[in-house]
Amino acid sequence: DTGVSQDPRHKITKRGQNVTFRCDPISEHNRLYWYRQTLGQGPEFLTYFQNEAQLEKSRLLSDRFSAERPKGSFSTLEIQRTEQGDSAMYLCASSPTTGNYGYTFGSGTRLTVV
Amino acid sequence: GDSVTQMEGPVTLSEEAFLTINCTYTATGYPSLFWYVQYPGEGLQLLLKATKADDKGSNKGFEATYRKETTSFHLEKGSVQVSDSAVYFCALIGVNTGNQFYFGTGTSLTVIP
Repeated sequence: DTGVSQDPRHKITKRGQNVTFRCDPISEHNRLYWYRQTLGQGPEFLTYFQNEAQLEKSRLLSDRFSAERPKGSFSTLEIQRTEQGDSAMYLCASSPTTGNYGYTFGSGTRLTVV
Repeated sequence: GDSVTQMEGPVTLSEEAFLTINCTYTATGYPSLFWYVQYPGEGLQLLLKATKADDKGSNKGFEATYRKETTSFHLEKGSVQVSDSAVYFCALIGVNTGNQFYFGTGTSLTVIP
């Protein structure tokens, strides 16, 4: 297993454009999480899926953000009408259903909005 | 709500020096506590964890003890190496918020030869 994969690693976009990121979790992990990390800060929770169901969403996830996990495998995070404040590292993590101790994080997608 | 307060950096040490990075938390009941490490350009890697009071997590020479009485989980290493240079994050998963981590702001460590 190659761990949690995220694509792309880096994305530069102009303000107002839409962007989409992809996360491929560890295959046997049912849970998938998205976090956002801004410069000099710790990661902040955005949302969480168990299989294909999105069970929790943070207040940070404005209506410009949408996440999907259509078949309970990979997930996408889309940001519409990007703003400069969206510039951050977007981290994906996955874990098994049982227990909270087996999170594996991906290397992240760094978004820069210019 | 649940939160983690972490010692601010950056921290610069000479090789073989002793390392302490302070971490305190606020949470209901007995959260699970973690230290993650992030090397430049990479994602977070679990360094160690402790799930109940007085547990000691250890890995790669790093240690941290879950202290309920002081709500702390300080990270220590007796002799740091240049390869330990990274950003270290203290984190918790709460009893009532078991599906998300709460992270501290991170402490940048640079070890010089």
